Amino acid sequence: SQQGEEDPQALSIQEGENATMNCSYKTSINNLQWYRQNSGRGLVHLILIRSNEREKHSGRLRVTLDTSKKSSSLLITASRAADTASYFCATAFTSGTYKYIFGTGTRLKVLA
Amino acid sequence: EAGVAQSPRYKIIEKRQSVAFWCNPISGHATLYWYQQILGQGPKLLIQFQNNGVVDDSQLPKDRFSAERLKGVDSTLKIQPAKLEDSAVYLCASSWVGSGTEAFFGQGTRLTVV
Repeated sequence: SQQGEEDPQALSIQEGENATMNCSYKTSINNLQWYRQNSGRGLVHLILIRSNEREKHSGRLRVTLDTSKKSSSLLITASRAADTASYFCATAFTSGTYKYIFGTGTRLKVLA
Repeated sequence: EAGVAQSPRYKIIEKRQSVAFWCNPISGHATLYWYQQILGQGPKLLIQFQNNGVVDDSQLPKDRFSAERLKGVDSTLKIQPAKLEDSAVYLCASSWVGSGTEAFFGQGTRLTVV
């Protein structure tokens, strides 16, 4: 079953604009990760935020985590056409060993 | 560092036939995952190994899917017999044991069942 649910399902923006996507999840987590998937390719890890962190930055990426609301957001600033991809949140939690459960994804299209 | 290797990249079979996918994880990664990704959806965990033992196969359709990880390295996922709804991308991933950090993914095998 899917642990997380991304919102919106699809997003279309102009190059240079910011893109924000949200993720909600159901159970307690150790950390939350965001992955990017280009069409027909594997998933690439973008950023990880631990359950005791509230905000994290990596280049043009900014991730926030609100464990009380069981939600996270990914902000991509100054978007580029190359950012066009699907973005997934994955929650990592341990029940003896770590599991990574993915959400439904946001399909981002950046128009040049 | 070599990434996660998967083969084949593409496979087309008829329903009721069998098919096998192969995965070679990153060297030293004790944990290996198989995910099924249906078009337009997120990856769904099918089975998780730690070394050569299964730690979670709760979402594996065991009447038709099987997986093994001999010697705690390479893994094979098999479908027998295949159904039309098995058409998907099958992704293999690996990670360091006990780390809770990122999982590294292969390019996947795109299966089409006709």
